[in-house]
Amino acid sequence: GENVEQHPSTLSVQEGDSAVIKCTYSDSASNYFPWYKQELGKGPQLIIDIRSNVGEKKDQRIAVTLNKTAKHFSLHITETQPEDSAVYFCAASTSGGGADGLTFGKGTHLIIQP
Amino acid sequence: ETGVTQTPRHLVMGMTNKKSLKCEQHLGHNAMYWYKQSAKKPLELMFVYNFKEQTENNSVPSRFSPECPNSSHLFLHLHTLQPEDSALYLCASSQDPSGGTYEQYFGPGTRLTVT
Repeated sequence: GENVEQHPSTLSVQEGDSAVIKCTYSDSASNYFPWYKQELGKGPQLIIDIRSNVGEKKDQRIAVTLNKTAKHFSLHITETQPEDSAVYFCAASTSGGGADGLTFGKGTHLIIQP
Repeated sequence: ETGVTQTPRHLVMGMTNKKSLKCEQHLGHNAMYWYKQSAKKPLELMFVYNFKEQTENNSVPSRFSPECPNSSHLFLHLHTLQPEDSALYLCASSQDPSGGTYEQYFGPGTRLTVT
């Protein structure tokens, strides 16, 4: 089955700096790669996703890049703000995230230092 | 807040108890999921229902029994659990996997403690 590795497990950056979280996946058939943000006491919330026919996607301060050859994808957050502090999860799916669900990474605890 | 609600938010139960977790989605979705979130581990997919039919059972022990009476409601019946089953149980829904819409929306979870 699919295996998703996520690094780093903890990331501390100064407010205003950029943060990058990286994930690798094992199944070359994976075609859907979402990123979720989880705040304390809440369920994960989808913040951005990318499909295998696209190499990069951007939404304001958040961007995701995908390298299918290397089987890795990354989340980039620019101009970080205190409210960006949370746990971020990457995930991958071979069926578009639907019928077989998602395989998640272990998460990255992002800490924004004021 | 998402359109997926879960009750109760917290549950403490003994190993011999029987309890149920409830999930309801108000998004008009057709697929629903149960995930388990334990400390230091990735979210683990447990069950998938698509149009009320179970399409995935990810080798989950029989002490967890799902029920999906309609596309808006999902239950997880619990009996004779073990302390290692203590975790955050998350419900999610998505519109129509077969139609190519993939986004899953999560509820806030039920924090389960087995004593």
